[in-house]
Amino acid sequence: DIHMTQSPSSLSASVGDRVSITCRASQGISDSLAWYQHKPGKAPKLLVYDASRLETGVPSRFSGSGSGADYTLTISSLQPEDFATYYCQHYFSPPYIFGQGTKVEMK
Amino acid sequence: EVQLVDSGGGLVQPGGSLRLSCAASGFSVSNNYMGWVRQTPGKGLEWVSVMYSGGSAYYAESVKGRFTMSRDTAKNAVHLEMNSLRPEDTGVYYCARQQWLVMLGPNGFDYWGQGTLVTVSS
Repeated sequence: DIHMTQSPSSLSASVGDRVSITCRASQGISDSLAWYQHKPGKAPKLLVYDASRLETGVPSRFSGSGSGADYTLTISSLQPEDFATYYCQHYFSPPYIFGQGTKVEMK
Repeated sequence: EVQLVDSGGGLVQPGGSLRLSCAASGFSVSNNYMGWVRQTPGKGLEWVSVMYSGGSAYYAESVKGRFTMSRDTAKNAVHLEMNSLRPEDTGVYYCARQQWLVMLGPNGFDYWGQGTLVTVSS
């Protein structure tokens, strides 16, 4: 199985800050990586797929980068609606394991 | 419009069984990859299973041998049969569609149900 190590587990930031979250796979996953935003009581929302492709309708302040086994989600200017928990997930081959999550909190 | 509606959750005793359902509209479940994801209390998202359009199904190690995914083409729905339930199976279960794009193939889960709560407790 391919396991995902996501960091940090939480971070405090202010509106307007640039925020980065990283995910490392236990082996190369050929960009088969998605990022999701999850808010309490709601279904997760797909933000980025194939490591760097922005899902339709997602604001351009979100971006994904990386290759091989190391990937990053960046929010260029944090907005009030962005306070949530973010997860990476690989889909290289089943099981499609998620990272542990990063909770983005208001400073 | 694409929509997924999850149902079937509830309270069950350890060792018991439950069948979750996911009714789809706006697309065909038989032509798509469909999955289940859960969120357990105090923990993050956990991938549970996926069923490919060809019918092959794969499971997380934690549920293998206890959970079975199936689909009903006539009702355009997928199901998750859960047996030998344990307290650690407690959580909100989401059905989701794995996106498939021309020239790119399968990628992330783009549409999700609203989730259904499963509680395993005596």
